[in-house]
Amino acid sequence: EVLLAESGGGLVKPGGSLRLSCAGSGFTFSNAWMNWVRQTPGKGLEWVGRIKSKPDGGTTDYAAPVKGRFTVSRDDLKNTVYLQMNSLKIEDTALYYCTTGSISITGFDYWGQGTLVTVSS
Amino acid sequence: QSVLTQPPSASGTPGQRVTISCSGSSSNIGSNYVSWYQQLPGTAPKLLIYRNNQRPSGVPDRFSGSKSDTSASLAISGLRSEDEADYYCAAWDDRLSGPVFGGGTKLTVL
Repeated sequence: EVLLAESGGGLVKPGGSLRLSCAGSGFTFSNAWMNWVRQTPGKGLEWVGRIKSKPDGGTTDYAAPVKGRFTVSRDDLKNTVYLQMNSLKIEDTALYYCTTGSISITGFDYWGQGTLVTVSS
Repeated sequence: QSVLTQPPSASGTPGQRVTISCSGSSSNIGSNYVSWYQQLPGTAPKLLIYRNNQRPSGVPDRFSGSKSDTSASLAISGLRSEDEADYYCAAWDDRLSGPVFGGGTKLTVL
């Protein structure tokens, strides 16, 4: 069974930083493209960023609102993907999901349960 | 404002067939595959359809997807009460260089 477990969410002040983790099991993590998608009541689902598998180059891509502030990385030995969030803004408040897959090839085929990030003074 | 446009709500009675539309442009639906997601209350989204009309294993064949030009549709036949959920479409956007989602459609089973 594929499982994705996010952690690291919490309350942070504007301008602060937070690192989210997502541990995967039940699949070959090193071959998986990993994504972060966030959800807010007002804006629905929004893709945040992704990291390709190392065999596919291991490159990262980001949505415009977070580019330069967020960084996605992975540790295939720990089966874990990370989302480092710096210079947080109030509008980054959301439930953050990690997902596997490529939107065009497989769709986002597995999702974690999400971790809540609240940016507030 | 979402890049892909979905109706905010849809409804049907048990046993009925309902369709949910998703409208985009040449930079997303018009040139890339569409996927659909079901989000039951209080849970994470779940993949229903990928590559326009492919179902992952375990998804009932009551769910089907189609695409034409810059629009896509999700059809649910033999509607059941457990289908009451939010449904989202998504596609890669060549102009934005990333995936984009629809705003979601809340399906009510009357």
